[in-house]
Amino acid sequence: AQSVTQLGSHVSVSEGALVLLRCNYSSSVPPYLFWYVQYPNQGLQLLLKYTTGATLVKGINGFEAEFKKSETSFHLTKPSAHMSDAAEYFCAVSDRASYGKLTFGQGTILTVHP
Amino acid sequence: GAGVSQTPSNKVTEKGKYVELRCDPISGHTALYWYRQSLGQGPEFLIYFQGTGAADDSGLPNDRFFAVRPEGSVSTLKIQRTERGDSAVYLCASSPLGGGAETQYFGPGTRLLVL
Repeated sequence: AQSVTQLGSHVSVSEGALVLLRCNYSSSVPPYLFWYVQYPNQGLQLLLKYTTGATLVKGINGFEAEFKKSETSFHLTKPSAHMSDAAEYFCAVSDRASYGKLTFGQGTILTVHP
Repeated sequence: GAGVSQTPSNKVTEKGKYVELRCDPISGHTALYWYRQSLGQGPEFLIYFQGTGAADDSGLPNDRFFAVRPEGSVSTLKIQRTERGDSAVYLCASSPLGGGAETQYFGPGTRLLVL
């Protein structure tokens, strides 16, 4: 079965600093890869996804992620954090042969301090 | 346009009671998913509908949980004889056709508390 590991349940950065949230998956066949963000009392919102093609994917709000097959990773980055980026971030995967069932990591809470 | 909506937003019930949670997907989306998110965890898959049929219910934890989607749009998740361990946020998502590459659009969730 698929598993997703997000290293670090809490990440704290200063405003303007680099954001790096880590995600590794377990499958030997690369799955489809997603990053979702959850703001307090709101639903999950897609930030970006990798399905095929270019391995560096750009998403909303200045975030991007790079699929690295050799490292089974899909880390999320943003060059300069903003206070509004404070939220919980979830990495998720879906098998390429499946109907779309998502397997999520445990989430990383991002705190941005002035 | 309207997104996925879920009602109620909060539900408090007593152990042993029956509850129903409703999901209104985005109009025209044939694929509908239910997930459960416990405190401090990522969402976990419960059940997938393609149209009116439950194509995969392998994530339902036991036979107290049941879900329907009789007309291929609105779905109801039903929990019988609730237990304190059922307390969680129940999330619904929909996507246009179903498929691993599709984006799933999530509702705000129903927060269930079983006392």
